[in-house]
Amino acid sequence: TQLLEQSPQFLSIQEGENLTVYCNSSSVFSSLQWYRQEPGEGPVLLVTVVTGGEVKKLKRLTFQFGDARKDSSLHITAAQPGDTGLYLCAGASNTGNQFYFGTGTSLTVIP
Amino acid sequence: ETGVTQTPRHLVMGMTNKKSLKCEQHLGHNAMYWYKQSAKKPLELMFVYSLEERVENNSVPSRFSPECPNSSHLFLHLHTLQPEDSALYLCASSQSVGRGGGEQYFGPGTRLTVT
Repeated sequence: TQLLEQSPQFLSIQEGENLTVYCNSSSVFSSLQWYRQEPGEGPVLLVTVVTGGEVKKLKRLTFQFGDARKDSSLHITAAQPGDTGLYLCAGASNTGNQFYFGTGTSLTVIP
Repeated sequence: ETGVTQTPRHLVMGMTNKKSLKCEQHLGHNAMYWYKQSAKKPLELMFVYSLEERVENNSVPSRFSPECPNSSHLFLHLHTLQPEDSALYLCASSQSVGRGGGEQYFGPGTRLTVT
């Protein structure tokens, strides 16, 4: 089993603040995905990063894949209440058939 | 219906019952997945199907039996479950398996409680 540790586990911030969520592993992944899950729903894919060192931006969200393809970070600028949810990272095996999910970060943005 | 649908959304069953979870994808995908999401544990991949053939089986107890009659439907048959099997069971689909197989689309899940 390839373990992905996310930190922090819980995060509660005021609207307008910035935050960073980390996803770390000792294993190398062929790609890494970030999802957001809301209560009562399944995870929704936010982004996939494939190349070591890759940075992708999605409006106020910035995703980075570590150079060694073992870790990743998600940075949110000027958080909004709509960003509230459970953020999950997932690493894909070399075959692409296996997906290993992180422990999750529960984010609450207070208006 | 669009996307990935799952039924039932909630299920309570006794340890001696037999029940089935159903998943249907309306996306024209060729790969389907079952995941288990327990409280305070990472999402666990249980089974992977590609064009109705199982390609991954991650050491899941035999009391969970998957079935994929066609590329649009996936079932998870349950029998003699244990209370620790209570969890949210998520179905997902993607264009194909393997690297470059495309993103996974998840259903809303079935909340299972075993009493």
